[in-house]
Amino acid sequence: AQKITQTQPGMFVQEKEAVTLDCTYDTSDQSYGLFWYKQPSSGEMIFLIYQGSYDEQNATEGRYSLNFQKARKSANLVISASQLGDSAMYFCAMRGLIQGAQKLVFGQGTRLTINP
Amino acid sequence: DSGVTQTPKHLITATGQRVTLRCSPRSGDLSVYWYQQSLDQGLQFLIHYYNGEERAKGNILERFSAQQFPDLHSELNLSSLELGDSALYFCASSESTGMNTEAFFGQGTRLTVV
Repeated sequence: AQKITQTQPGMFVQEKEAVTLDCTYDTSDQSYGLFWYKQPSSGEMIFLIYQGSYDEQNATEGRYSLNFQKARKSANLVISASQLGDSAMYFCAMRGLIQGAQKLVFGQGTRLTINP
Repeated sequence: DSGVTQTPKHLITATGQRVTLRCSPRSGDLSVYWYQQSLDQGLQFLIHYYNGEERAKGNILERFSAQQFPDLHSELNLSSLELGDSALYFCASSESTGMNTEAFFGQGTRLTVV
């Protein structure tokens, strides 16, 4: 079965430090996509970064990078030089075939708090 | 702004009632997904439509139904509402059903059942 696991319910980081949010996934498919979303306290879901299963290079978007280790089935989000505005819930997601149908499945999320 | 529009933003209704949540996908996006997020919970996949056809169902209750119209907007109908249906309901759209296609979310509809 397809599953996303985020093992860190909460993280506290000092401003300007780098932070790594963990995500592992379980799939037997060869083709899949991995995504990270940010959900601030206002509630909206903001797309941050995407990594395709066939991409050989790790994805990068500004201060966000995705540390993709296919053999370990992990897709950790790295935020460099954290800012107070980075405080939010972060969700890892995977698009893949589940029970014969394509779905976008989310992990339980990690609540990141940036301290000044 | 993701380009996905959900209305209404907030909805308060009584138990036993029926409500309709509306989603307008980004221009050109054929896929629409619905998710439910209860308090302090992750996102639970409800249903996926592509170009008017239902493609996948998740943990959607029989009291809930959805459809996607020819103009590609989608509606999620929730009936016989219970207190436990109070949640944030998200719609997301994507260009296609390709594995490598990101989905963009609307602002969500916060439903409160009293």
